[in-house]
Amino acid sequence: ETGVTQSPTHLIKTRGQQVTLRCSSQSGHNTVSWYQQALGQGPQFIFQYYREEENGRGNFPPRFSGLQFPNYSSELNVNALELDDSALYLCASSLPGGLANEQYFGPGTRLTVT
Amino acid sequence: DAKTTQPPSMDCAEGRAANLPCNHSTISGNEYVYWYRQIHSQGPQYIIHGLKNNETNEMASLIITEDRKSSTLILPHATLRDTAVYYCIVPLYNQGGKLIFGQGTELSVKP
Repeated sequence: ETGVTQSPTHLIKTRGQQVTLRCSSQSGHNTVSWYQQALGQGPQFIFQYYREEENGRGNFPPRFSGLQFPNYSSELNVNALELDDSALYLCASSLPGGLANEQYFGPGTRLTVT
Repeated sequence: DAKTTQPPSMDCAEGRAANLPCNHSTISGNEYVYWYRQIHSQGPQYIIHGLKNNETNEMASLIITEDRKSSTLILPHATLRDTAVYYCIVPLYNQGGKLIFGQGTELSVKP
């Protein structure tokens, strides 16, 4: 167990809808990264938040957005859902700077878009 | 990220050492090598990382060649619970926290 929790565990949405996924960091970690993992693929980096600001973004469109709160928990929002957004969404917490690559992942949220 | 190359799959007998190779021939002098694994239906798990010296922790050992162009993750006494996909990652030095996962090596530990 990493101490990183995510909710909900599973979610089914319809194309065009919006979804919010939540993540609570491991105690003491102030950096949160989000990843998308399609079936049979490795996780893909979406973005990272540090001190409530976006601190790096992967190749994802603006309809993928996030928030980080003062307690370091985080949300991932996806607007105008598409079928290809069906995936496992993972969040990971870490310390910043040189320790940012040592990340502790939650169990993920499985999103299905129909 | 420095491109990494791993075999798609490997088998290992339970109780034997599992040696997972990774090539990263374009690695820069200040880039670290990280290893993660992902057990089925779980989030990835950090294992170990290193720069140029060999590293060991309670989970595994990491051997990095002198020219740093390749490394080997060693699980000294593999168990069935070590069955997972193992990822070797070399993050860009100036993009801390952006992990680029490839396809990894699917390790099957067999009784």
